[in-house]
Amino acid sequence: DVKVTQSSRYLVKRTGEKVFLECVQDMDHENMFWYRQDPGLGLRLIYFSYDVKMKEKGDIPEGYSVSREKKERFSLILESASTNQTSMYLCASSLSLQLPGANVLTFGAGSRLTVL
Amino acid sequence: DQQVKQNSPSLSVQEGRISILNCDYTNSMFDYFLWYKKYPAEGPTFLISISSIKDKNEDGRFTVFLNKSAKHLSLHIVPSQPGDSAVYFCAAGPYGKLTFGQGTILTVHP
Repeated sequence: DVKVTQSSRYLVKRTGEKVFLECVQDMDHENMFWYRQDPGLGLRLIYFSYDVKMKEKGDIPEGYSVSREKKERFSLILESASTNQTSMYLCASSLSLQLPGANVLTFGAGSRLTVL
Repeated sequence: DQQVKQNSPSLSVQEGRISILNCDYTNSMFDYFLWYKKYPAEGPTFLISISSIKDKNEDGRFTVFLNKSAKHLSLHIVPSQPGDSAVYFCAAGPYGKLTFGQGTILTVHP
């Protein structure tokens, strides 16, 4: 089974702090994604990456950046955390963007971030 | 602009009965649709999918129906079990990044 591991399950940070959320997948997937989940809004895509050092903005990239230096690792960075970034952050990976059915996302367990 | 909508925030069903979860989409470029299930404190897990060339796909107790002309899909769970209680998200896309709905909380009562 594909495993997507998010290093921190719960974080509490202060406004203005720099926050790193780390994600590692172990099945050599090409694509990795960061979503945030908020009540009533579902899952919204922040950034995704289809290759090492490649990244594309999702629907809500403002206030976030990402880094993918190695294929298995995708980091989400909040340069200066704000209270409206309090959320559940979900990392996901998928095998390929091109193959039918192979774009099923496998998610990590999530990182619950609270910004005070 | 919400391209994928789940208009029912919650659904309550008796054990053994059918659960029907609905999802509407607006983007006619979407050609691949999925349902995910999410328990509290866990990531979403893939449940079932359907491509736009089909109108029905079954997997055990789960069936997804797609009505392209109405831009509507539904997930049927028969029979419903208490362990099915979770948040259900529909998702749609071309191959690649998926757009998710808001989720529907399903509660199955024993």
